Amino acid sequence: NAGVTQTPKFRILKIGQSMTLQCTQDMNHNYMYWYRQDPGMGLKLIYYSVGAGITDKGEVPNGYNVSRSTTEDFPLRLELAAPSQTSVYFCASSYSQGPNTEAFFGQGTRLTVV
Amino acid sequence: KNEVEQSPQNLTAQEGEFITINCSYSVGISALHWLQQHPGGGIVSLFMLSSGKKKHGRLIATINIQEKHSSLHITASHPRDSAVYICAALPTFMDSNYQLIWGAGTKLIIKP
Repeated sequence: NAGVTQTPKFRILKIGQSMTLQCTQDMNHNYMYWYRQDPGMGLKLIYYSVGAGITDKGEVPNGYNVSRSTTEDFPLRLELAAPSQTSVYFCASSYSQGPNTEAFFGQGTRLTVV
Repeated sequence: KNEVEQSPQNLTAQEGEFITINCSYSVGISALHWLQQHPGGGIVSLFMLSSGKKKHGRLIATINIQEKHSSLHITASHPRDSAVYICAALPTFMDSNYQLIWGAGTKLIIKP
């Protein structure tokens, strides 16, 4: 199993450009998440999904969109990149939710908006 | 004030030393997670605990629910333990929707 795969690993965007961060998992997990990690801060949840066709906003959804057309894929879309979106982005998945659920993370995407 | 606080923010130690990283939280929780983030960026889960103590190799995690505090210990530390260690709390309040509250992480450097 590859686990959770994120692409790309690095990207530089100009202000106003758009891009899609790809995330795919091969563990048949229902739950998928997008986080951003800023220096000195804990991970912040952007969006999450509890299954194909179902998505919901997390703590910091503004400026982002997601879709979940299949169980495996959960892409994150930035429509009009802004310098405030410079961050490291992590995709994660889990089989279920609750106290004893382990989450599996991708390797992260380092995005710089200039 | 963050609901999950870690200390110290940075820790440098010599190989072989006993390491303690602390995590305090201000909300009621049903579980606490410890994760490791390597310099390459990947995050892996180390422990999930809701009471007592868990041990895996040289890593030990403890939690005191009454004091709202958890610790991660590393015995006989090694340079390969150098990483950022993150705690994340799963709140019990109903509208949490099982979303974790994350600490900012402790950057650990073990010198040979």
